[in-house]
Amino acid sequence: AQSVTQPDIHITVSEGASLELRCNYSYGATPYLFWYVQSPGQGLQLLLKYFSGDTLVQGIKGFEAEFKRSQSSFNLRKPSVHWSDAAEYFCAVGISNFGNEKLTFGTGTRLTIIP
Amino acid sequence: ETGVTQTPRHLVMGMTNKKSLKCEQHLGHNAMYWYKQSAKKPLELMFVYNFKEQTENNSVPSRFSPECPNSSHLFLHLHTLQPEDSALYLCASSQGASQNIQYFGAGTRLSVL
Repeated sequence: AQSVTQPDIHITVSEGASLELRCNYSYGATPYLFWYVQSPGQGLQLLLKYFSGDTLVQGIKGFEAEFKRSQSSFNLRKPSVHWSDAAEYFCAVGISNFGNEKLTFGTGTRLTIIP
Repeated sequence: ETGVTQTPRHLVMGMTNKKSLKCEQHLGHNAMYWYKQSAKKPLELMFVYNFKEQTENNSVPSRFSPECPNSSHLFLHLHTLQPEDSALYLCASSQGASQNIQYFGAGTRLSVL
């Protein structure tokens, strides 16, 4: 069965600093990989996805992520964070199950931005 | 504006009550999902419906009863819940075929007293 590990429960960075959120997955085949963001009181919003092709994917709000098969990782990066980026970030691995996309989520990383 | 609307946003109920959560998607999708989000735990997939047919029941207790009358609407009927069922319940939808992205609603925050 697939699994997702987000080793950092909580990260604090200064506004304007760079950010990297870690995600490692376990899955026997090439996975579909996602990063979602959840602001307080809100549902999950898709930041970016990797299905195939270029291993560096660009998303919304200036985020990018790099798929590294050798490390089973899909880390999320942003060169300069803004206060509005404070939220919880979830990495997910998806598998196709006869027409359904089943997602397995990590436990999330809470991002705090300090002035 | 996600295209997936959940009502109510907040719900408090006693253990003997019966209530229902509603989800509506305006995206023309064919698949709908219920997830449970508890503190410090990964999102747990509960049910999947594809073209109104239930295709996944992830060992969910029978006190949770889903209903999908059409591809745009999904309900979660609740009865005799336990305090540990208190959580954020998220609905999502997707086109239904492979490589499709799931779009989430804002959730219903449920508290069971």
